[in-house]
Amino acid sequence: KQEVTQIPAALSVPEGENLVLNCSFTDSAIYNLQWFRQDPGKGLTSLLLIQSSQREQTSGRLNASLDKSSGRSTLYIAASQPGDSATYLCAVFGNQFYFGTGTSLTVIP
Amino acid sequence: EAGVAQSPRYKIIEKRQSVAFWCNPISGHATLYWYQQILGQGPKLLIQFQNNGVVDDSQLPKDRFSAERLKGVDSTLKIQPAKLEDSAVYLCASPRGAGGITGELFFGEGSRLTVL
Repeated sequence: KQEVTQIPAALSVPEGENLVLNCSFTDSAIYNLQWFRQDPGKGLTSLLLIQSSQREQTSGRLNASLDKSSGRSTLYIAASQPGDSATYLCAVFGNQFYFGTGTSLTVIP
Repeated sequence: EAGVAQSPRYKIIEKRQSVAFWCNPISGHATLYWYQQILGQGPKLLIQFQNNGVVDDSQLPKDRFSAERLKGVDSTLKIQPAKLEDSAVYLCASPRGAGGITGELFFGEGSRLTVL
């Protein structure tokens, strides 16, 4: 069964720092990987989708990479802002979607 | 395009009472998922529909949970009777893409259930 792990579970950084969130998965037979943001009491908002044939995707200050063979993905956030404070989850799709438990990010002004 | 709609946003009930949640996925999305998210955890799949048929309900506690998607559009998730451990956020999601399965997944705002 696919297992998705996100490290660290929580992260606190000062405003303006660049940061990296990690996601690892045990089964490389995936069709895609997706990064989400979740604000307290809200649903998940899609940030980036990487198809299995792709190596990375970029949207604004966000860049996500995928190394399917090693079972890893990273989400890079440039020049962090207090508004980036949220929980970030990754999910992989094989025969169904499997989610990590998320990284809770706090950006300190 | 309109997003995934869910209601109610919040519900507080006593244990052993019943509750129902409603979801209307993005128009044209054939696949619909219901997830349960307990605080501090990732979403856990409860049931997957493809049009009005059930694809996977292996993790749905069928003694108390039921779900339907009669016309292949909106869906209802019911809990009866509720237990304390059912306190969670219930999320509805539908994916976009060829065949409606392998594409980007979109979530509703969720329905937060508190069982007292």
